[in-house]
Amino acid sequence: AQTVTQSQPEMSVQEAETVTLSCTYDTSESDYYLFWYKQPPSRQMILVIRQEAYKQQNATENRFSVNFQKAAKSFSLKISDSQLGDAAMYFCAYWEYGNKLVFGAGTILRVKS
Amino acid sequence: EPEVTQTPSHQVTQMGQEVILRCVPISNHLYFYWYRQILGQKVEFLVSFYNNEISEKSEIFDDQFSVERPDGSNFTLKIRSTKLEDSAMYFCATSTASTEAFFGQGTRLTVV
Repeated sequence: AQTVTQSQPEMSVQEAETVTLSCTYDTSESDYYLFWYKQPPSRQMILVIRQEAYKQQNATENRFSVNFQKAAKSFSLKISDSQLGDAAMYFCAYWEYGNKLVFGAGTILRVKS
Repeated sequence: EPEVTQTPSHQVTQMGQEVILRCVPISNHLYFYWYRQILGQKVEFLVSFYNNEISEKSEIFDDQFSVERPDGSNFTLKIRSTKLEDSAMYFCATSTASTEAFFGQGTRLTVV
């Protein structure tokens, strides 16, 4: 079974600084997707960024980018120019076609002003 | 933009009572999921549903839980006799075979 591991229960970053959240996963498949979801205090699940495993290029969405290392099964999220509104729980997730999403345990991100 | 709609947003129920959580999927989505998140903890898979039957379920999804599409549009999760430990945020998610799951806003269930 696929597993997703987030080894950082909590991270802090100063406003305007850069922070990287780590995620590793385990799979024997070659075709899959990886995601980062943001969960603010409202507890809504908001998709931040997605990465297709067949693409070598790392995905970027404005201030959010990933470092996808397929051989190492690593998928980290970099948040640049951190803002107070970035404070939330962040979940890494793995998905294959037609199957369920598998989530990591989450990382709480605190942003200091 | 199409979205998954969940009702109610918050449900308070007495222990032992039955609750039904409702979800309206995105119209062309055929795969349906329920997830649960106890406060401060990880998002846990409960069940997936495709072609009018359960395709996968977790150990959490015991005989107290059931899912159905009663009218071909709504997708419901029923908990027959709620326990205190069922208090959690319940998320519905739907997808096609080739897209990731889209999440609803969640239903916060409080069992007292």
